[in-house]
Amino acid sequence: SQTIHQWPATLVQPVGSPLSLECTVEGTSNPNLYWYRQAAGRGLQLLFYSVGIGQISSEVPQNLSASRPQDRQFILSSKKLLLSDSGFYLCAWSAGTGYSDEQFFGPGTRLTVL
Amino acid sequence: SQQGEEDPQALSIQEGENATMNCSYKTSINNLQWYRQNSGRGLVHLILIRSNEREKHSGRLRVTLDTSKKSSSLLITASRAADTASYFCATVFGGGSYIPTFGRGTSLIVHP
Repeated sequence: SQTIHQWPATLVQPVGSPLSLECTVEGTSNPNLYWYRQAAGRGLQLLFYSVGIGQISSEVPQNLSASRPQDRQFILSSKKLLLSDSGFYLCAWSAGTGYSDEQFFGPGTRLTVL
Repeated sequence: SQQGEEDPQALSIQEGENATMNCSYKTSINNLQWYRQNSGRGLVHLILIRSNEREKHSGRLRVTLDTSKKSSSLLITASRAADTASYFCATVFGGGSYIPTFGRGTSLIVHP
C-alpha cells in the first residue's frame, strides 16, 4: 500500500531563517506531487506541483521554492522566512494519469515564523 | 476564482441527525471530489463524482452532482460525533489543468 510522510510535524523558526520541509511517498512510482499551504480556517492554496523528477510548476509567486530530486521525494524550501510564511503545509500525491483521481495527503507540517 | 465554494461555512447538529453540505462552482468540470479534514491533520479523500454521474454513495455518505446548476451536495446520514471535521469540495476543471481546486470548506460539529 502507498504511504506519504512529511517531516517535521511542527516547526518554529525565526524570521530570516532558512526552511526545508520534506515529503516522501512509498509504494508507488512516478506520482504527481503537490505542496499546499493552509491558513487558519481557510482552504488550501496550491504552491507547487511536479509531474516528474526535476519538473516543478509554481502556482503563486512567493518566498518559497520546491525541488524534486528523486521520483518520490518533494522538498519545500526557503532561503529567508517571512512572518507571512506561517501556516499549515500539506504535501499530497496523485497517480500520474492525467485527469487525476483522488489526492492522498500527508499529515502536514505546522510552521510558525516568529 | 475557479474554486468551488462550500455552503454553509459552519454547521452544528446533534448526533443522529443528517448533515448536508453544498458546493457550487462556475465553470465546467471533469470531476468533483469531497475530502474530510480532522483538526490539525491532512485531508482524506471521501468520494469522487465525475461530470457524467449524478449520484454516488459510500457508506453513510451520499454525493449528488447537478451540472446544470453547477453544484454538488454531500449528505452524511445518521451523523456521529466522530464525523466532526471540516469538509472540502475540490473541482477538477475540463480542458486544462487536472489539478483539483479546493474550496474553503464547511466546518461540521456533531454534538453527542
